[in-house]
Amino acid sequence: AQSVTQLGSHVSVSEGALVLLRCNYSSSVPPYLFWYVQYPNQGLQLLLKYTSAATLVKGINGFEAEFKKSETSFHLTKPSAHMSDAAEYFCAVTISGNTGKLIFGQGTTLQVKP
Amino acid sequence: GAVVSQHPSWVICKSGTSVKIECRSLDFQATTMFWYRQFPKQSLMLMATSNEGSKATYEQGVEKDKFLINHASLTLSTLTVTSAHPEDSSFYICSATDALRTPGNIQYFGAGTRLSVL
Repeated sequence: AQSVTQLGSHVSVSEGALVLLRCNYSSSVPPYLFWYVQYPNQGLQLLLKYTSAATLVKGINGFEAEFKKSETSFHLTKPSAHMSDAAEYFCAVTISGNTGKLIFGQGTTLQVKP
Repeated sequence: GAVVSQHPSWVICKSGTSVKIECRSLDFQATTMFWYRQFPKQSLMLMATSNEGSKATYEQGVEKDKFLINHASLTLSTLTVTSAHPEDSSFYICSATDALRTPGNIQYFGAGTRLSVL
């Protein structure tokens, strides 16, 4: 069975600082991994995805994530935080060939201070 | 591309009434649609998976007679909350995927529906 753990339910950074949101996964087969962002009272927007191609994945809004199999991690980073990055971030995992069911992490709230 | 429209965005209803929420894929054919429920400050909880033309598959603990799901076409799925009660108040989100068009099982999400049952 697959699972996802997001370390830190709340992360606070200053504007311009590095953003690091942690995600560790568990999967017995090669996983597909995703980061989604959710703004208040909205659905989820896909930031980036890992689907067994390049391990360093670049997404929208300057975010990127690196798939590290040895560490079972898929941490999300952004070199310089912007106020508009304040939102809820979800890491999710699924596996190839299944129904497409996503397993979500608990979410991390990113606060960006001026 | 890959836009999912969810309607209504907010609904208030009286206890005992039924509410229907629509989820449409606007520019692709959704072979599979998913319905989630999200409580405040929490993650998404998958309620059911629906494939076009077949019965939905409900997750454990989700009452299929309470949450009726219909996926009659490749672009439309509906969730009906029957005989709604205050404990059904929540944020409901749908997503859609097209396995042929989006390898990697990418799900595209609607904007969500906030249901408040009085």
